Amino acid sequence: QSVLTQPPSVSAAPGQTVTISCSGSSSNIGSNFVSWYRQLPGTVPKVLIYDDNKQPSGIPDRFSGSKSGASATLGITGLQTGDEADYYCGTWDSSLGAVIFGGGTKLTVL
Amino acid sequence: QLQLQESGPGLVKPAETLSLTCTVSGGSISNSPYYWAWIRQPPGKGLEWIGTVYHTGTTFYAASLKSRVTISVDTSKNQFSLKLTSMTAADTAVYYCGRHSQWESPRTWGQGALVTVSS
Repeated sequence: QSVLTQPPSVSAAPGQTVTISCSGSSSNIGSNFVSWYRQLPGTVPKVLIYDDNKQPSGIPDRFSGSKSGASATLGITGLQTGDEADYYCGTWDSSLGAVIFGGGTKLTVL
Repeated sequence: QLQLQESGPGLVKPAETLSLTCTVSGGSISNSPYYWAWIRQPPGKGLEWIGTVYHTGTTFYAASLKSRVTISVDTSKNQFSLKLTSMTAADTAVYYCGRHSQWESPRTWGQGALVTVSS
């Protein structure tokens, strides 16, 4: 069971907007930076968002990150079939002294 | 551009020790403000952090693996390594090395190395 809680799956139609939540606590999301990753089958996790809401170069602005208290959210607008993947949130937990990840959310673009 | 590359055996027998090395290129481990991590992902499952080492040798380990894990750094070779003892089938996974800043999860990842535990 992961320290960070994500919904196991979300779905939406092409062109629509979807959000993926990541719930934690004051010792992790509440006090440290959140990153979001996308992982296509058989590939390395790719950073979409770091430092809660920053995009690495090359990541479209369709992807956005936000945080409020001990929860973070990944938003994806203009969904494409190529966005079908597993999405993970991650951060540092100051109480555990550990990197922690959410359990992952499978996005289906209907 | 920073690159990380895992190396080591793809097959390990039950009860043996796994040894993996991550070679860092395009940047130096020495005197770096960054932390160097090992993460694994069993087939069909999520990401699991194994542990992290700083260039001074300071380590942080996942509580569930702490009794079996050793992570070390060799700044002269610009490498860091993972040793995981008493391997079982449950340790079969893709093992990634990564780099992260303090207070966050890895932003740079290696390509991953599949390790299978089987006799």
